[in-house]
Amino acid sequence: DQQVKQNSPSLSVQEGRISILNCDYTNSMFDYFLWYKKYPAEGPTFLISISSIKDKNEDGRFTVFLNKSAKHLSLHIVPSQPGDSAVYFCAAKVNTGKLIFGQGTTLQVKP
Amino acid sequence: GAGVSQSPRYKVAKRGQDVALRCDPISGHVSLFWYQQALGQGPEFLTYFQNEAQLDKSGLPSDRFFAERPEGSVSTLKIQRTQQEDSAVYLCASSAEELNYGYTFGSGTRLTVV
Repeated sequence: DQQVKQNSPSLSVQEGRISILNCDYTNSMFDYFLWYKKYPAEGPTFLISISSIKDKNEDGRFTVFLNKSAKHLSLHIVPSQPGDSAVYFCAAKVNTGKLIFGQGTTLQVKP
Repeated sequence: GAGVSQSPRYKVAKRGQDVALRCDPISGHVSLFWYQQALGQGPEFLTYFQNEAQLDKSGLPSDRFFAERPEGSVSTLKIQRTQQEDSAVYLCASSAEELNYGYTFGSGTRLTVV
C-alpha cells in the first residue's frame, strides 16, 4: 500500500525552463510534506517543506504547492539549472516523526 | 562532526553472515532514524531513536534486524543471518529537535548479500 506516490519516474527539461515534479498521497493525517534531492552515492538532502495547513511555500527558485482536496503536491523549480539534475523524493511526515517517501523522480536539466 | 557519518560505505556479506552498520549522527542531535532504500525505490522507515530510547521500530522487517543507541549518540544497525533481499542502501538521519522535519541524512551503507 503506497501512501505516497510519484507517478513519473523521470522528467527532462531545458535549462532556464520550469520543472514541475508531482506527488500524490492517500493519508489525510500527514502533517508535513517535504521534498528531498539526491545525487548518486550521496544521502538525500532536504530541499523544502510545507505544513498541511498551508497551500504554498517558496524558497528562492523552489516552490511547493499543496492541494489538500486532491491530496496532491508539486515542486516547481524555476529557472531550472543543469545542477538541479538529480533524483527528487517527495515525503510525508506522520506525527510520530517518521517520513514516508515516494519512489522518486529523476530530473534531467539539459543545457 | 559536520555531518552524519556512516560506516562502512560498502559491505559485501555472504548469505547467512551477520553484519553491523554504524551511524555517527551530528553532535547533539536528539533524534536518529534508520531507513532502508532498495534499488529504484524511495527510502523506507526502519526505526527511530530519541536519545537512547527506541520509540518506534515498526519498520524493522524481521526479528533479524536489531538497532541500538546505548548512549544516545552513535547507533548501530545489526542484521543477523543476512539474506539476499536485505541487499539495499541503509541510510541514517539525525535531527536536533524532537520531530524536526529537516533531517540530515548520511551517505548510507550499501549492503550487498551474495
